[in-house]
Amino acid sequence: SYELTQPPSVSVSPGQTATITCSGDKLGDKYACWYQQKPGQSPVLVIYQDNKRPSGIPERFSGSNSGNTATLTISGTQAVDEADYYCQTWDSRTVVFGGGTKLTVL
Amino acid sequence: QVQLQESGPGLVKASETLSLTCTVSGDSIVNNNYYWGWICQPPGKGLEWIGSIYYNEVTHYNPSLKSRLTISVDTSKSQFSLKLSSVTAADTAVYYCVRHYCNGGNCYADYWGQGTLVTVSS
Repeated sequence: SYELTQPPSVSVSPGQTATITCSGDKLGDKYACWYQQKPGQSPVLVIYQDNKRPSGIPERFSGSNSGNTATLTISGTQAVDEADYYCQTWDSRTVVFGGGTKLTVL
Repeated sequence: QVQLQESGPGLVKASETLSLTCTVSGDSIVNNNYYWGWICQPPGKGLEWIGSIYYNEVTHYNPSLKSRLTISVDTSKSQFSLKLSSVTAADTAVYYCVRHYCNGGNCYADYWGQGTLVTVSS
């Protein structure tokens, strides 16, 4: 079965750029999306189709996907961005999630 | 605005069947562009896809759960349902129902229910 690997945690200072990676075999040949989940809340889609932002998602969120790695970038990270982030793709008619990355804004 | 609402027992005994229903409002469940799915999250852990269904009853299941899983749809009620049999403590989780856009390998969940905690007791 297909697997996506994320770092368990990433730390960033306020105002700096946070980068969260998601690795999978030839992931760049598939579409990737990203969800943000804050404690006690349902996940929210922040990036879909590799690099598109849903309505209402701030411009500081961006995504890319190439080779074996999809990347979520948060520019000018704010305290409100502290959350768990999950990547997801579709492979062989199944939805696959990464294990999640806890973003800490120090 | 699309809304999804999970309903069902919050406590299920081990070896019995977990049953949940998701009621959809603000969108027709009969929609060529969307699947309707279930995702779970054990306490303190990550997201796990359970399975999804199209309005015409085409289903896709997580292979690891397939032998215990049934997902169905009732278009007249704008609802879809989950049944997971022979549950164990490992099935204790928050269960979310979602709307998936899926087309040409591009698949993402754009609307989520609030989630419901189901605890499996021994």
